[in-house]
Amino acid sequence: DSGVTQTPKHLITATGQRVTLRCSPRSGDLSVYWYQQSLDQGLQFLIQYYNGEERAKGNILERFSAQQFPDLHSELNLSSLELGDSALYFCASSSGGRENTGELFFGEGSRLTVL
Amino acid sequence: GENVEQHPSTLSVQEGDSAVIKCTYSDSASNYFPWYKQELGKRPQLIIDIRSNVGEKKDQRIAVTLNKTAKHFSLHITETQPEDSAVYFCAASRHNTDKLIFGTGTRLQVFP
Repeated sequence: DSGVTQTPKHLITATGQRVTLRCSPRSGDLSVYWYQQSLDQGLQFLIQYYNGEERAKGNILERFSAQQFPDLHSELNLSSLELGDSALYFCASSSGGRENTGELFFGEGSRLTVL
Repeated sequence: GENVEQHPSTLSVQEGDSAVIKCTYSDSASNYFPWYKQELGKRPQLIIDIRSNVGEKKDQRIAVTLNKTAKHFSLHITETQPEDSAVYFCAASRHNTDKLIFGTGTRLQVFP
């Protein structure tokens, strides 16, 4: 168990809909990362937050948005969903501070299926 | 933008043989190079990492080498075992608190 919790584990929805994926980082971790993994694809970096602030942005679509709340949990919002958005969405966390080793601790992922 | 290329995409070896996976990166400011292993249906997990001030690092049967001049790094697994079968991802970042850019992954199959 990595200590990173993601909900829901599975989600099936229709095109055009909107969903929210939730992530609770490991206790004490300040950095949260979101990655998208499509079938047989690599890990595409979406966005990184550190202590509530956006730190880095990857190839995140304009239809997607995210935020990190004061309690450090994060949400990834996906709207106007398309078939191609079907993927496994991973959240990962790291301490982010001086003691940070660089290791990302991944959650189990949220599998999104758009029909 | 930053890019990490990884080869091969699939690799099949006999148990006991060695496996080598190679990655190249585009951002010359990259200084941190971890490797993650993702077993089927599981989350990625760190197996080894190397920083730019080190050329090689070993941990039991796995080793990573780094050539900063050529901007490439490699993962070496010796005496492979069936439980080594998984997808391996290389990654790079400028600092260990920065975003991590992953390669496209290598599916390693170790046959008994």
